[in-house]
Amino acid sequence: DIQMTQSPSSLSASVGDRVTITCRASQSISIYLNWYQQKPGKAPKLLIYAASSLQSGVPSRFSGSGSGTDFTLTISSLQPEDFGTYYCLQSYSPPRSFGQGTKLEIK
Amino acid sequence: QVQLQESGPGLVKPSETLSLTCTVSGGYISSYYWSWIRQPAGKGLEWIGRIYISGSTNYNPSLKSRVTMSVDTSKNQFSLKVTSVTAADTAVYYCAREGARKGDAFDIWGQGTMVTVSS
Repeated sequence: DIQMTQSPSSLSASVGDRVTITCRASQSISIYLNWYQQKPGKAPKLLIYAASSLQSGVPSRFSGSGSGTDFTLTISSLQPEDFGTYYCLQSYSPPRSFGQGTKLEIK
Repeated sequence: QVQLQESGPGLVKPSETLSLTCTVSGGYISSYYWSWIRQPAGKGLEWIGRIYISGSTNYNPSLKSRVTMSVDTSKNQFSLKVTSVTAADTAVYYCAREGARKGDAFDIWGQGTMVTVSS
């Protein structure tokens, strides 16, 4: 089974900051890496799929990069509405596995 | 557009079976994998398993012995059963679609349904 390790587990940043979250897979998953944002009481929302493809309707300040085992989600200029918990998900093979989450707080 | 809606009892007694159904609206259930994912309060997301319209399934090894999924294409629904539940199965349960053109990411989610295991 593929293990996903996400870091940091939490972070606090100011509006306008550049924020980076990383996810590492225990084996190569090509580009089968996806990023989600979850707000309290809501289902996760797909932001980035296939490592770097922006989901329709997601602001362009969100971007993803990486391949193989190391991946990054970047928010280029943090906005107040970007608070929440971010998860990575590998869709390379079953069982699917999520990172443990990164809780993002706006200072 | 396609929407998913989970339904089922919100309270299940320990040792009994948890049963949930996900109804697909705004589109057909065909040609996709459909998954169940759960999230205990304050914790992360756990993939339970998935089913294809053929009935082919993949389950999380950690739950495999207790999980069964099924699909009813005539009703545009798929279902989850978890047997011998304990308090550790208390969680919000989500159904989701794997987007074949989205790197197999879960691109559409239900709103989630809270299931509590308690006597």
